[in-house]
Amino acid sequence: EAEVAQSPRYKITEKSQAVAFWCDPISGHATLYWYRQILGQGPELLVQFQDESVVDDSQLPKDRFSAERLKGVDSTLKIQPAELGDSAMYLCASSFAPNTEAFFGQGTRLTVV
Amino acid sequence: DQQVKQNSPSLSVQEGRISILNCDYTNSMFDYFLWYKKYPAEGPTFLISISSIKDKNEDGRFTVFLNKSAKHLSLHIVPSQPGDSAVYFCAAGGGAQKLVFGQGTRLTINP
Repeated sequence: EAEVAQSPRYKITEKSQAVAFWCDPISGHATLYWYRQILGQGPELLVQFQDESVVDDSQLPKDRFSAERLKGVDSTLKIQPAELGDSAMYLCASSFAPNTEAFFGQGTRLTVV
Repeated sequence: DQQVKQNSPSLSVQEGRISILNCDYTNSMFDYFLWYKKYPAEGPTFLISISSIKDKNEDGRFTVFLNKSAKHLSLHIVPSQPGDSAVYFCAAGGGAQKLVFGQGTRLTINP
């Protein structure tokens, strides 16, 4: 069964350091999403790609976060510098069509100390 | 501005009975609605969806009902099983409307 692959599963980093997450969507899915989930809340969209283009990054803190999907397949999300408040689960998802059934990866649990 | 709301943070149901999870939305432009299930330390798993042209969609033990006039959807699980214990998120989106998730409801199935 096709899955969204994410790495790493867990990451502990010191504040002010840089951290990066990787995502490989389901083959054929043109839409890729990065979400952040804080415990007790629902996933919040950070950035959405359609192929290699960003279609929504309105909630991405652009002073420290960046995302790319250079060839329209896999994607990286970077935080530099990390802050204590960035501790959360970072989820990648993909879908065949925008804003429909999105399939999620296992997520990366980030802890900033 | 919470466009998708799940007003019950938790729900406890006896095994074998029906579980009903509720979700309300405010944006009338949403035309696609989904339910996800999430276990701790894992990503959400897609359960079932419904488009705005329908008012009911069924998949095995799971049925989603959509009431567009009330801007309300619900997920029914019958019969409830211990493995159904998880956090359930509703989401709304479709077309140009980005997927927005509710806060989640923690469902506990008691033996």
